[in-house]
Order: sequence, then C-alpha cells, then structure tokens
Amino acid sequence: NAGVTQTPKFQVLKTGQSMTLQCAQDMNHNSMYWYRQDPGMGLRLIYYSASEGTTDKGEVPNGYNVSRLNKREFSLRLESAAPSQTSVYFCAGEGARVGELFFGEGSRLTVL
Amino acid sequence: SQQGEEDPQALSIQEGENATMNCSYKTSINNLQWYRQNSGRGLVHLILIRSNEREKHSGRLRVTLDTSKKSSSLLITASRAADTASYFCATEPEVDDKIIFGKGTRLHILP
Repeated sequence: NAGVTQTPKFQVLKTGQSMTLQCAQDMNHNSMYWYRQDPGMGLRLIYYSASEGTTDKGEVPNGYNVSRLNKREFSLRLESAAPSQTSVYFCAGEGARVGELFFGEGSRLTVL
Repeated sequence: SQQGEEDPQALSIQEGENATMNCSYKTSINNLQWYRQNSGRGLVHLILIRSNEREKHSGRLRVTLDTSKKSSSLLITASRAADTASYFCATEPEVDDKIIFGKGTRLHILP
C-alpha cells in the first residue's frame, strides 16, 4: 500500500519545454488535488478533481492542464514551462473521511 | 487570495513548553484541518474540526474553532524536539469542496 505516489521526484526543464507530473494513488480516493508550494506562500491549489473524468480550477491554474482519466491517476501537465513555475508540486488524495488529505512526497521542478 | 492565514509565521520555544499557532480564514467553512510538514516531505494530516465543533483533542494536540471570528488555534502541549516542523491550517469552504491552505507557521523546538 504505497498511498500517493508522485513521479518524477526531481526535474530540470528549460523555458518552453513541456512535461507531465504523474500522480497515482492506491487508496481509492475519489477527490484528488494538485498544489504548488513556494517559499513564504504555503500551498496553493492548482487543480482539483472531485471524481474520475471531472476537473476544476483552483487558485493558480494558469499555465497548467490536468487529466483524470481514471480513479487512480491524476496528472499535471506544463505545456510550455516558465521560470515562474519553478516550485515543489504536491499531489494529494482525499480519504474516506471528508477533509483528510493524504499527500505524496512532492516533485521538485526547476525551470531555467 | 488564500483562504487561511497562520500566525505567527515562525515560532521558537524551549522543549517542554506549549506552542500555540493561530489561523484566520475568510469565508464560511464546512471544516478546518491542521497539517504538519517536516522539511523536504509531504504534509501529514493531524486533526480535523467541523464547523459545528468548538474544541477537539488528539494526544498532545488541542484545536479550537471560533466560527464567529473565523479563526482557529492549534495548541501543542509539552513540546518535543521532534515537533519541529511547519504547521498549516486548511479549510473546506461551504461554497465548494476544494481544500485551501494557509501559508503556515514554522515551529522550532529548542533543546
């Protein structure tokens, strides 16, 4: 039982490159989240998925797209990376008890 | 703008003392949660308090919620070096199910 698994853990991109952050959960979560964490800013919600096939924007969705093709996986895509997207990205799933999030270990992204 | 704001931003106390962190939020909520983050790790859920509850305990943790003031506090009693971490409050607004975090309090327990 791995919980919430994010890949990759580290990535360096050049401005304009694209990439996808993968998140998979084996805890049967319905709701899944993508956050970014920057120094002094706490966690900011990028996108949210209440269930398979549904997604909704969070606080800072610009520059990102998401995909929730099945219950288990929720991916975050950067189509054209910018230095402002340098951050630590966290995926989370919401447990059976509403409001309790289980987090992955984070993906550290640097855009040069 | 973010829903929750923790206060203080940073706190250093001696081991054995109590640590109190506060959280204020802007809109009506269904529940409020507190999370802990050790350096370089993901967040771990500590405790959840519903909007109709005023106080909740879990081990050395005590959480209060005042919906009239839109504020919450987290008290850690008899602090230990292992409590050194960042602590975040998060809220689930009534208007939707998205869980929004504050900026966190960095707690440092001095030996």
